Order: sequence, then C-alpha cells, then structure tokens
Amino acid sequence: GEDVEQSLFLSVREGDSSVINCTYTDSSSTYLYWYKQEPGAGLQLLTYIFSNMDMKQDQRLTVLLNKKDKHLSLRIADTQTGDSAIYFCAVPRDDKIIFGKGTRLHILP
Amino acid sequence: DAGVIQSPRHEVTEMGQEVTLRCKPISGHNSLFWYRQTMMRGLELLIYFNNNVPIDDSGMPEDRFSAKMPNASFSTLKIQPSEPRDSAVYFCAIKGGNEQFFGPGTRLTVL
Repeated sequence: GEDVEQSLFLSVREGDSSVINCTYTDSSSTYLYWYKQEPGAGLQLLTYIFSNMDMKQDQRLTVLLNKKDKHLSLRIADTQTGDSAIYFCAVPRDDKIIFGKGTRLHILP
Repeated sequence: DAGVIQSPRHEVTEMGQEVTLRCKPISGHNSLFWYRQTMMRGLELLIYFNNNVPIDDSGMPEDRFSAKMPNASFSTLKIQPSEPRDSAVYFCAIKGGNEQFFGPGTRLTVL
C-alpha cells in the first residue's frame, strides 16, 4: 500500500527558510498535496503540485517534486511566527488520501 | 473548517463510558471520512463512507468502535466502552473535488 514518510519535527529561526521533506511509495498519483494544520484546527489544503511538474511556486511557498526519487518538498521562504503549524504531505489513492504523520514546524525567535 | 461541523468539540469521560462523536457536513456530501490523530501515531484513517455506505473500515481499531452515516448530512462515530488509549483528536472530513475538507475535530479525553 501507499506509504508517506516525513520527519516529525523541524525548528527554524524566524526569517530563515523552512524545508519540509517527504517521500512516498506510489508514483501513479496525478498530483500530490501539502496540508497545513494550525493549533486547535483541522487540516486545510495549503498547496498541491501536478505529477508532471517539477516545481510550483506560490508567493513564499515552493514545492519541488522529484518523481524519480519519489521525493516531495515544501519550502517556506522568510518563515514567520504564523507559519508555526503541522504540515502534512499527502498522496491520493483511489477514493482516499494517504497522509504522512505530519511535520511540526517550530519557529525560533 | 466551515464546511464540516463536529460536536462536541471537547469530551472528557471516564473509562467504560459510551462516547458518541457527531459530524454534520454543511451541505450533503457522499464521501465522508473519520480520522484519529495522536502524537504517537499521527493521523490515522479509521473509516470512510461513499454514498452513505462504509467502504473501508480497516482502520477501525476494534469492535468497540462503530460508525454510521444514515444520510448525506450526518455521521456518528461511537466508542463503547471507551478506554484511556482512545484519547485523541477525532476528525471528520468530506471530499470536495480532489481534496478533503476537515472539520475542527473533537478532542476526546478518557480518564
């Protein structure tokens, strides 16, 4: 079955770039997602990338996809305190979405 | 979160008691998912429904857990009897297009 792996914690100083990495096993997905979970809330779709793309940029967010290595990353430029959250890599499979365990981003002053 | 209402938002109960968690999509949806989130295990899919029919309940921990979706606008997740290891945040989500929309979750604490 699908397996989505990501590190559990990341600490970054305010103003620096954050890079959250993810690896997955199933390469047949048409697109891959990054979801964000803020404290006390449910997950919300942050961004996505089509599998035929290598990179997608949206303001401070950059998504990189390496299909050969089955590696997905999310880069947040100029990390701010409001970026403190849990970030989930997610891959659709049939009617479901397979989520990683989430990476908790902690912002250092 | 505006698309899915969950109640209660917080539940504290004693071991052995029955717990019922509720989910109401604001507009009826045919696909509905129940997840559980803990620090140790992360986000786990418990069960999902399509057209109000349970499609995959392989994530339901054991017989103490049951879920129903009597119509497109309502679903329940019941735990009977509850145990301390059931303490977690339980999320309901609906499918819209190619993404899922999550409710705010119910934080369950079993003492």
